[in-house]
Amino acid sequence: KQEVTQIPAALSVPEGENLVLNCSFTDSAIYNLQWFRQDPGKGLTSLLLIQSSQREQTSGRLNASLDKSSGRSTLYIAASQPGDSATYLCAVKDSNYQLIWGAGTKLIIKP
Amino acid sequence: GAGVSQSPSNKVTEKGKDVELRCDPISGHTALYWYRQRLGQGLEFLIYFQGNSAPDKSGLPSDRFSAERTGESVSTLTIQRTQQEDSAVYLCASSLSPNEKLFFGSGTQLSVL
Repeated sequence: KQEVTQIPAALSVPEGENLVLNCSFTDSAIYNLQWFRQDPGKGLTSLLLIQSSQREQTSGRLNASLDKSSGRSTLYIAASQPGDSATYLCAVKDSNYQLIWGAGTKLIIKP
Repeated sequence: GAGVSQSPSNKVTEKGKDVELRCDPISGHTALYWYRQRLGQGLEFLIYFQGNSAPDKSGLPSDRFSAERTGESVSTLTIQRTQQEDSAVYLCASSLSPNEKLFFGSGTQLSVL
């Protein structure tokens, strides 16, 4: 059974720092992996989607990598800003087309 | 519309009443998901529609919960005889195909008194 883990559960860093969020999964048979952010009281916003055949995707200050063999993905945020404060979730689409979610990393960027 | 639309945005109901929540996916999106998110908790999968295939109902918590989708358009989630533990945000999401980016609506905040 696919399980997705995100570490750390919470992270607080000063503005301007580069940071990495981690996501690990137990079964490498996936179709894709997606990173989302959720702001308090709001829905989820898709950030990046990496297909199983891809190694990374970039959007602005965000870069997501995927290593299927080791069951890992990272989300790199460059030059963090207070507006990046949110909960970041990763989700894996498994071989049954089910989305399996991590519990999220709550990120706080201190001005 | 430009995004996934959910209505109502807020619903307050009395225990025992039925409620119906609506989701308008992005036009042309074949995949549609319903999730529940209790306060401070993660996403709980409820049901998945893909085109005209039989829906995956494996996440529905009880027979009080049901959902329908007509073709590749609107979906409704119905909760019968609501209970206080049904209080949560109900989120709908759609994607162009099963392997594409997932887009979420803003959710319906359901409060059962």
